[in-house]
Amino acid sequence: GAGVSQSPSNKVTEKGKDVELRCDPISGHTALYWYRQRLGQGLEFLIYFQGNSAPDKSGLPSDRFSAERTGESVSTLTIQRTQQEDSAVYLCASSLTPGALNTEAFFGQGTRLTVV
Amino acid sequence: SQQGEEDPQALSIQEGENATMNCSYKTSINNLQWYRQNSGRGLVHLILIRSNEREKHSGRLRVTLDTSKKSSSLLITASRAADTASYFCATEKSGGSNYKLTFGKGTLLTVNP
Repeated sequence: GAGVSQSPSNKVTEKGKDVELRCDPISGHTALYWYRQRLGQGLEFLIYFQGNSAPDKSGLPSDRFSAERTGESVSTLTIQRTQQEDSAVYLCASSLTPGALNTEAFFGQGTRLTVV
Repeated sequence: SQQGEEDPQALSIQEGENATMNCSYKTSINNLQWYRQNSGRGLVHLILIRSNEREKHSGRLRVTLDTSKKSSSLLITASRAADTASYFCATEKSGGSNYKLTFGKGTLLTVNP
């Protein structure tokens, strides 16, 4: 595709429900990142994929959060038993193989998650 | 702890003035990047400077990197109201196989017309 696509754009869910957020990276980008951004705050790193593997998942806040990537393409971030503090914008980004000459990250428009 | 830390947290200037934002980091890096964000959604890449570079220009943007001080600065010259946004630095760590891109907390720039 032309850019990084995230779906849904907005999600309102009830506390305690599970949600799945999807990211379609740019074709050929081997690196994929998930970040969380609370209102007025910076980007909080969640997890990084290189291909289908996650060398660094240190940012996942709790075991309610998990992510997978398949086919070196689509990634899904799952939040189980959502809590109000999970409300934030979840941003996905992809890039060419890090360490290469041009490793700028391309971001999707994010999913705004609201837990009520 | 946060890898990249920008300062100031907020900056307000008049149109036509220059804006300077700083970023400090802690570990060895492959490169440092600056991004812009409007309205709390997707970030847009502005400029990348590699660890062996000291200065880079792109249009009205000038970035410097001092690896001995582990710091970078972003200068926007002749600012415009449309430059109003949040600006983030990000570092790609060097060494090992973990190249994760780590962002700072950002500087909110307001350019008043």
